[in-house]
Amino acid sequence: KAGVTQTPRYLIKTRGQQVTLSCSPISGHRSVSWYQQTPGQGLQFLFEYFSETQRNKGNFPGRFSGRQFSNSRSEMNVSTLELGDSALYLCASSLVNGVGELFFGEGSRLTVL
Amino acid sequence: KNEVEQSPQNLTAQEGEFITINCSYSVGISALHWLQQHPGGGIVSLFMLSSGKKKHGRLIATINIQEKHSSLHITASHPRDSAVYICAVARSYNTDKLIFGTGTRLQVFP
Repeated sequence: KAGVTQTPRYLIKTRGQQVTLSCSPISGHRSVSWYQQTPGQGLQFLFEYFSETQRNKGNFPGRFSGRQFSNSRSEMNVSTLELGDSALYLCASSLVNGVGELFFGEGSRLTVL
Repeated sequence: KNEVEQSPQNLTAQEGEFITINCSYSVGISALHWLQQHPGGGIVSLFMLSSGKKKHGRLIATINIQEKHSSLHITASHPRDSAVYICAVARSYNTDKLIFGTGTRLQVFP
């Protein structure tokens, strides 16, 4: 059974650009959640989706957005990148939000120059 | 004050030692997660608890809802257990919106 796949694994952008990150959950999982990890703030919740609906959003500016497709794959987008957006972005999938184990991807490491 | 506190921040052990990592939280929760993160970033879920105790191999996790405290124990520690262990809580049901502790960095030497 394939795990959670995140692409790209590494990327470098410059300030002002925008970026799109992709997450493919484990087959059969309908819930996808996104987290940001930085050395200063640690792990923080970004958003979660179930059946194409955003269930919750963390305390991040509107530059951070996401969506989930009918096949449960999810994307997140960050527009007008700032230096502080440099981070490891992790997604996780579960069968249903809050029920059972979370399965994490390896993350997408974003560097903003 | 953080809503989820872990102790210790750093822990060094000799192979074979019994290890305890503590997590205290100040909010009402529906579930508590213990996660393991190896260098490079990948996170593995170890336990999800809402009450009592769970055991998986050499790992044991306990939670005391009244005292708002959880512990992760590793018996017969091994160098491959070296990682960052993170406690995280969900404040309501049916959500993966987690509040994370700052992690405990464990190094186990042979």
